[in-house]
Amino acid sequence: NAGVTQTPKFQVLKTGQSMTLQCAQDMNHNSMYWYRQDPGMGLRLIYYSASEGTTDKGEVPNGYNVSRLNKREFSLRLESAAPSQTSVYFCASRQSSYNSPLHFGNGTRLTVT
Amino acid sequence: KNQVEQSPQSLIILEGKNCTLQCNYTVSPFSNLRWYKQDTGRGPVSLTIMTFSENTKSNGRYTATLDADTKQSSLHITASQLSDSASYICVVSPLDTGGFKTIFGAGTRLFVKA
Repeated sequence: NAGVTQTPKFQVLKTGQSMTLQCAQDMNHNSMYWYRQDPGMGLRLIYYSASEGTTDKGEVPNGYNVSRLNKREFSLRLESAAPSQTSVYFCASRQSSYNSPLHFGNGTRLTVT
Repeated sequence: KNQVEQSPQSLIILEGKNCTLQCNYTVSPFSNLRWYKQDTGRGPVSLTIMTFSENTKSNGRYTATLDADTKQSSLHITASQLSDSASYICVVSPLDTGGFKTIFGAGTRLFVKA
């Protein structure tokens, strides 16, 4: 009964370093999402994948890339981290139904120095 | 521009008291409005959902209302408990984005004190 699992939970990077955030869901959901959450702001969509094999940009995609590896896994890559990417990153998934809820992981807290 | 604004930013109440959180949105048309609860260090969890034609929805001690004419929603918490301390986030799904690009409010941070 894991739901959505994100790794790592915490990460500190130096400016210019790269890393990949991993996300996996075991609910057989079709769509998956990456959000970032910053103080005083609502969650903002970085990228999403409507179904296996497709990805699309969200509101704030610059500086990020994604891979929908299979139906279960959706990764987020920072190629050259910048201090502006310091944030808490959440992965989410949901069924295809228009009114179905998003199921979130517990987040990755990333600090870029 | 589609926006969701919540008030107050934070709120402190005593255990056992009631409270009401507000959400104003400019998203139109929309398919549904949800309230999520986010505990510290965790991801948000859905509490209620209302479509544009619904006025109220309850989930235990949580009751959400929707006024589509004034574009306002509220979340009422009855007989608050310490475990209600969390952020409450209003989320609106625009009708023209296929449900993929939902818009999140910044949340209301609720502190329930003993």
